[in-house]
Amino acid sequence: ELQLVESGGGLVQPGGSLRLSCAASGFTFSNYWMHWVRQVPGKGLVWVSRIKPDGTETRSADSVEGRFTISRDNARNTLYLQMNSVRGDDTAVYYCVRDWGADFGDILGEYAFDIWGQGTMVTVSS
Amino acid sequence: QSVLTQPPSVSGAPGQRVTISCTGSTSNIGAGYDVHWYQQLPGRAPKLLIYGNHNRPPGLPDRFSASRSGTSASLAITGLQAEDEADYYCQSYDNSVSGSKGVFGTGTKVTVL
Repeated sequence: ELQLVESGGGLVQPGGSLRLSCAASGFTFSNYWMHWVRQVPGKGLVWVSRIKPDGTETRSADSVEGRFTISRDNARNTLYLQMNSVRGDDTAVYYCVRDWGADFGDILGEYAFDIWGQGTMVTVSS
Repeated sequence: QSVLTQPPSVSGAPGQRVTISCTGSTSNIGAGYDVHWYQQLPGRAPKLLIYGNHNRPPGLPDRFSASRSGTSASLAITGLQAEDEADYYCQSYDNSVSGSKGVFGTGTKVTVL
């Protein structure tokens, strides 16, 4: 079964740090671009960041640039999101998603998200 | 933050047809990026509904269809069913100085009357 399972969410103080993890299974993780998407409860989806299959290229939304770092360990089939200098507006459910593009010849990480994790909640509050 | 605009809500009676628009610009949909659609049931993670502008993943009923033209796209649901009541989001990419970035639509709540 194709699966993504996030962990690491919780309560963090403003200005603090948190690292999210996403364990992938059921597919060849190292072949796919991976992304993080977040959603404030009751609000819409927001793209956060993406990383190339070999980890050599990343891109992030302006709102998290310089504070969040996406990375991956292909040997462990795991995606990470290091969140530093967190703010109240970072409070959200964070989803790990697979970019399906590798199956369609897309090499730029600009395709649809076919697998979603269940999400992990991050709450920034003092 | 959303650069793709959707109507906040649409509604229809069972069996009817509803459409959801997704309006972008020349830096995203109009730049040639594909549009994808997701369905999010209450309390659940989103699920891919349409990929590559008009393609349905295996197993998805053909009641769902989509198209893209110019700087916009649309999703149609025909034969509306109670189980279709959910939030729907379009998604694409947007050109920026530092490279393309993912973008979602503002989301549309579909209500089955």
